[in-house]
Formats: sequence, C-alpha cells, structure tokens
Amino acid sequence: DGGITQSPKYLFRKEGQNVTLSCEQNLNHDAMYWYRQDPGQGLRLIYYSQIVNDFQKGDIAEGYSVSREKKESFPLTVTSAQKNPTAFYLCASSIRGGISYNEQFFGPGTRLTVL
Amino acid sequence: GQNIDQPTEMTATEGAIVQINCTYQTSGFNGLFWYQQHAGEAPTFLSYNVLDGLEEKGRFSSFLSRSKGYSYLLLKELQMKDSASYLCAVRDPYGGATNKLIFGTGTLLAVQP
Repeated sequence: DGGITQSPKYLFRKEGQNVTLSCEQNLNHDAMYWYRQDPGQGLRLIYYSQIVNDFQKGDIAEGYSVSREKKESFPLTVTSAQKNPTAFYLCASSIRGGISYNEQFFGPGTRLTVL
Repeated sequence: GQNIDQPTEMTATEGAIVQINCTYQTSGFNGLFWYQQHAGEAPTFLSYNVLDGLEEKGRFSSFLSRSKGYSYLLLKELQMKDSASYLCAVRDPYGGATNKLIFGTGTLLAVQP
C-alpha cells in the first residue's frame, strides 16, 4: 500500500526541548511539504522540498528546520526557538511540477503538545 | 498578497444539499483544490478545477468562475459522515514549477439528523 506515514501520532515535550517529527512516503513523489494547523487558521506552510538535498522556507519557517537526505523522508525539527510549538503538524507529498492535477497527499498528522 | 475566504461554519440536514463557497484574491490563477478533513485526521482530496464550469464526482460537485475569483463545493444527499471541515486551496501563482498550495481557513460543516 502506497502512502505517507507520520510518527508519532501524539507527542509531548517540555518547553525548551527540540523535537523531531518523522515523515516517510513510498509514493515515489519528488516534492514534500510540512504544514502547521491551528484552530481557525487553516494550513500554513512551514517548509517544502522539490528534490533531494534541496528545500525552501514556507510562510512560517522561523523556529523550524528540515532535511531531505532521502527521497522518501522529510523530517521536521521543532526547535526551542519556536515560540508557540503546540499544534497539529501535517506532512504532504506530490508529484513535482505546478501543472494539471497534481494534488498533495497528506499523512495522518502529529499532534505536538509542549508542556 | 494572496487571500482565500470561506465561511467558518455551516449546518445542514441529512439528505439535503449544501453549497460551500470560496472566494480568492490572487495575482494569478493556476488551479483550485477542495479537500475534506475529518477532525484530527489528514485532509483528503475531493476535486480540482482549473477551467470555468462544473466538475461532478458522484455526490460532490465543484464549480469555478475565474473572472469572479469564486468557487463552490456542492454536496448532495448529505450523510452524517459528511460532517467535516472542507478546505479550499489555490495553487500559488508565484510557485513556478512547484506545486505549492495556499489554503483557506476551512469551513466546518455539521450535518444534523
């Protein structure tokens, strides 16, 4: 079965700690994305990557970092510099290229709570 | 700037028809998507419009008017399982070769018996 996995589903961390969220896909997609979702604010783009070893900041990249060493994997680190890290984090992937029908496929999400 | 507007909440009755509107103000246009998201779950793709007109997929249809910057999602024969958030997203006109999307805040639909 092809798809996107995110782990863990729920994550709790103490304030001041860095935490890394996992995202893996076996859809053979070149492009991957990280979003943050807060109540009443929709999905906001944190980082995206079009190809291995390359990634760009989205609209709210401050306090986050990513890597793209393998096509299948796009981990997101929430650093202690992120002021309000408690949120629902969604990873997505798509075929590369802004043409036609290329919808994004989403993982099940990780709900991060910082205590 | 880019802006997408949707109603925050809607309520409808099981078996009825509901229309969820989305208006967008972007400097260009390269496609509009509708996603469904149940609480605490991943968004799932519903429809894509890039040309004016109606796209029908079973109980769900989506309409686009590029000149008006307007789309709607029409849900027929509503079922309780249709209670979810419906997200409108446009492809970033400045995205170039990327597939970046700009999302609205979503419309929370509650279907009542």
